[in-house]
Amino acid sequence: GESVGLHLPTLSVQEGDNSIINCAYSNSASDYFIWYKQESGKGPQFIIDIRSNMDKRQGQRVTVLLNKTVKHLSLQIAATQPGDSAVYFCAETGPGGTSYGKLTFGQGTILTVHP
Amino acid sequence: AAGVIQSPRHLIKEKRETATLKCYPIPRHDTVYWYQQGPGQDPQFLISFYEKMQSDKGSIPDRFSAQQFSDYHSELNMSSLELGDSALYFCASSATGVASEQYFGPGTRLTVT
Repeated sequence: GESVGLHLPTLSVQEGDNSIINCAYSNSASDYFIWYKQESGKGPQFIIDIRSNMDKRQGQRVTVLLNKTVKHLSLQIAATQPGDSAVYFCAETGPGGTSYGKLTFGQGTILTVHP
Repeated sequence: AAGVIQSPRHLIKEKRETATLKCYPIPRHDTVYWYQQGPGQDPQFLISFYEKMQSDKGSIPDRFSAQQFSDYHSELNMSSLELGDSALYFCASSATGVASEQYFGPGTRLTVT
């Protein structure tokens, strides 16, 4: 995917609310889809991944949903906390073989959690 | 837990100079990836190495080269630097067969003046 530079989508929520961050992906051949969290001045932090043969996977306070029909991925964060404020990126792995680890990132979403 | 280490964290170079960025993967991770991230942009894949061999190549300029050494650390060499090379450069590492779980370092912020 391509970002739009400094004009990233934003999501503002109140502490304790549930957050849903969406992403559209392009490559139907990707084997895994991944969500990363990036705080200011830091590297992307792995949150959760989902294999292409699944449609839902749950982690601690997070759930990832995959809809292959419409090439849509979402990240749900339960009971959002101020520490969840960051830029969230979806990413997809390469088509396989030696390109498997080549992550293609989607446009980030800025999540702001208000106390 | 040990994380990916990158050095230096900040680097300022002039146009046409060279720069070397270093990456030390998480212990027992044998695969290293390099990404470039411009301001407000998503990370762009540059190159990756598995067991000291180049495994894939992305949008890496010919002026850049990289290698992975016997201790699995990696270096990204950048020559004839241009203003457009100013960016954050991230290294990530993963264990064998788990390329979907890449762990990123803190990045090197390169500024070319």
